[in-house]
Amino acid sequence: GAGVSQSPSNKVTEKGKDVELRCDPISGHTALYWYRQSLGQGLEFLIYFQGNSAPDKSGLPSDRFSAERTGGSVSTLTIQRTQQEDSAVYLCASSTSTGSYEQYFGPGTRLTVT
Amino acid sequence: KQEVTQIPAALSVPEGENLVLNCSFTDSAIYNLQWFRQDPGKGLTSLLLIQSSQREQTSGRLNASLDKSSGRSTLYIAASQPGDSATYLCAVPSNTGNQFYFGTGTSLTVIP
Repeated sequence: GAGVSQSPSNKVTEKGKDVELRCDPISGHTALYWYRQSLGQGLEFLIYFQGNSAPDKSGLPSDRFSAERTGGSVSTLTIQRTQQEDSAVYLCASSTSTGSYEQYFGPGTRLTVT
Repeated sequence: KQEVTQIPAALSVPEGENLVLNCSFTDSAIYNLQWFRQDPGKGLTSLLLIQSSQREQTSGRLNASLDKSSGRSTLYIAASQPGDSATYLCAVPSNTGNQFYFGTGTSLTVIP
């Protein structure tokens, strides 16, 4: 079956503009995670969705960042008034909430803020 | 808070050598541990997942072991190939499963 998909694969935007990043998890996976990977850095947790429960937003770095998950499937990460320090690869992962909890990652979106 | 460390940060070996990558974690109460591979500019590909009740998992030339009591996992790669060149990451879930903690990875280069 299809894996996790993300779009766009690359996004270049001017400082101050808003951007939306999309994640399509594996069908049937109730858990969805967003991470950020800055150049030469490890993965930084941003936000976690589990089914219809309230998301865990504890990793969001500022109030410019927000995320939604519609219908328990597709998720959108929105960054408002982008700054140069937002430049990074944004990775999405999904997993089941039972069994192995194995995470499956998408290819990521490379965001460059000029 | 769980902390995950990977040593070495970088490793370069000639083709054909066997090698071991290390991952350590501070809180031994983990549900599982997952090893990933990341190629430059790409997402993460899952290699092996070890449940807390298991001591090792094997897939082809890869063997991952887990010692919860000492907070350590190793990834053994047999007969390395240039195509194995990538960054290898390990990750463990939080107690509630709401996030995973990642090491900073080991960058492996296999020289033909």
